Amino acid sequence: DSGVTQTPKHLITATGQRVTLRCSPRSGDLSVYWYQQSLDQGLQFLIQYYNGEERAKGNILERFSAQQFPDLHSELNLSSLELGDSALYFCASSETSGLNEQFFGPGTRLTVL
Amino acid sequence: LAKTTQPISMDSYEGQEVNITCSHNNIATNDYITWYQQFPSQGPRFIIQGYKTKVTNEVASLFIPADRKSSTLSLPRVSLSDTAVYYCLVGANTGTASKLTFGTGTRLQVTL
Repeated sequence: DSGVTQTPKHLITATGQRVTLRCSPRSGDLSVYWYQQSLDQGLQFLIQYYNGEERAKGNILERFSAQQFPDLHSELNLSSLELGDSALYFCASSETSGLNEQFFGPGTRLTVL
Repeated sequence: LAKTTQPISMDSYEGQEVNITCSHNNIATNDYITWYQQFPSQGPRFIIQGYKTKVTNEVASLFIPADRKSSTLSLPRVSLSDTAVYYCLVGANTGTASKLTFGTGTRLQVTL
């Protein structure tokens, strides 16, 4: 158990809909990262937040957005969903803003029908 | 933006040393190299991180040549429980323009 929690574990929705994925980092970790894992694209970095502020941006689509709240939990919002958005979404946390050891959550499996 | 490539799969017998390479020709000066292990239906788990030369911890070693265009993860005396997918991660998040790039992953199968 990494100490990072993600909800929900599974999510099934239809094209065009909007969903919110939630992540609670390990106690004391200030950074939260979001990743997408799919069979064709592999593991892709989406975005990082550090202590409530956006820190780094990866291949995140404009239809996707994220935020980190004062209690340090983070949410990833996916809108206007397409079939190709079906994937496993991981959240990871680390102590600092630098690239040190990240602790990954169990993931949220999103299926868009 | 570093592009990273890895062998798709490797096979090994239990007790052998396994070396998995990652090629990252476009690595930037500030980039670090990190390796993760992933089991089915789980999130990746940190193994080791380095910037240059050699790093060793209790589970693995990481070799990085002087030009830093590749790296090699070395797993000594693998066991059946080391069967997993191994990813290298290249990048530095030292600014808003930074990107983290995962390799394509190497599926390691360990047998008796």
